[in-house]
Amino acid sequence: QVQLQESGPGLVKPSETLSLTCTVSGYSISSGYYWGWIRQPPGKGLEWIGSIYQSGSTYYNPSLKSRVTISVDTSKNQFSLKLSSVTAADTAVFYCARSGLGATVYDYWGQGTLVTVSS
Amino acid sequence: DIVLTQSPGTLSLSPGERATLSCRASQSVSSSYLAWYQQKPGQAPRLLIYGASSRATGIPDRFSGSQSGTDFTLTISRLEPEDFAVYYCQQYGSSLYTFGQGTKLEIK
Repeated sequence: QVQLQESGPGLVKPSETLSLTCTVSGYSISSGYYWGWIRQPPGKGLEWIGSIYQSGSTYYNPSLKSRVTISVDTSKNQFSLKLSSVTAADTAVFYCARSGLGATVYDYWGQGTLVTVSS
Repeated sequence: DIVLTQSPGTLSLSPGERATLSCRASQSVSSSYLAWYQQKPGQAPRLLIYGASSRATGIPDRFSGSQSGTDFTLTISRLEPEDFAVYYCQQYGSSLYTFGQGTKLEIK
């Protein structure tokens, strides 16, 4: 059974960089699939941030591309998100997920982690 | 960029009733690349439907999806108490993903 778990600081100061890690169990990232990050501001809808393949190739939401970096560490079976120059508008629950079924949907999700941007 | 518009914003129904949720795409979307998710409070979204009409593993057959042109529909044939939640459609294209704004299905 594939399981994903997000980890990282729950509070980040404005203008700083948000960093999160997703640890995958039950499946080896190096075996394939795209892996992604999605966020959800409190009380609002879902926004796709970006995704990465085990080879390291990445795709980003154009609206966030200038501030986002997603990387993968296959030795630790983890992938990570960095979002720079954060503001209060970046406060959200961040989910990591696996992109299955030909990379067209997200079929396995982490439980999500709330990151608040505040001084 | 493709925009997905879901309607209604909120749908109030009673258990046992039929629910029809709509997702309209701003331009053509391949049926292969349209999915529906269910999200309950405090939980991650759960994949319900992929390829516009195929149920994901473990999803009851009261959930069904269909397409007519750029209009996609999620139908819940007979609402169970656990079906009251927020539903999102999602499309995939050119290695990018877009979500609709969601429909809240609430108990009347």
